[in-house]
Amino acid sequence: SQKIEQNSEALNIQEGKTATLTCNYTNYSPAYLQWYRQDPGRGPVFLLLIRENEKEKRKERLKVTFDTTLKQSLFHITASQPADSATYLCAIRGSTLGRLYFGRGTQLTVWP
Amino acid sequence: EAGVAQSPRYKIIEKRQSVAFWCNPISGHATLYWYQQILGQGPKLLIQFQNNGVVDDSQLPKDRFSAERLKGVDSTLKIQPAKLEDSAVYLCASSLSLLAGVRTDTQYFGPGTRLTVL
Repeated sequence: SQKIEQNSEALNIQEGKTATLTCNYTNYSPAYLQWYRQDPGRGPVFLLLIRENEKEKRKERLKVTFDTTLKQSLFHITASQPADSATYLCAIRGSTLGRLYFGRGTQLTVWP
Repeated sequence: EAGVAQSPRYKIIEKRQSVAFWCNPISGHATLYWYQQILGQGPKLLIQFQNNGVVDDSQLPKDRFSAERLKGVDSTLKIQPAKLEDSAVYLCASSLSLLAGVRTDTQYFGPGTRLTVL
């Protein structure tokens, strides 16, 4: 069966450190993978997209890697801040038109 | 630019009652999505429209859920009759288009409607 697993339901780190979140998938052939941020009581907000033929993408303090051999994406937040505290969702779009499959998310808490 | 609007924000009903949710996507967005997010889980796609046509409704429990997007703009999601397990947040999202060859659309989500079924 198809699965998207985001390791660690919760991750707690100190301000200034790098947060690394993991997304593993099985039985998907993703065209691309996306990362979203979700704050309590709000809808997800798109952060980054990485295609199947890309290894790494960066945006300001965010970095995403994508290893289709390992079937894994890593999401990094460098110089983390308390404002980065939120749930981060990994989502995969397969070869079929349109459908996005979401993982259950990792709740990140950055403490001062 | 206005975001995706949803109403109501909260709804409490008893099981076997009916409920409807409304969504107004970002202006000009051809694709509209309804997701169900149960507490502690990621969003699960219920139905996807391209303009006013259904692209994917394979995960929609059609015996009780229905959705429409008349005129290709606003959309309504209805549950009739509701069950306890329908308690969740219902998210609406929109994106520019899902035409063949456009594979990098970004989805913009509304704030969601939190449904509690007692």
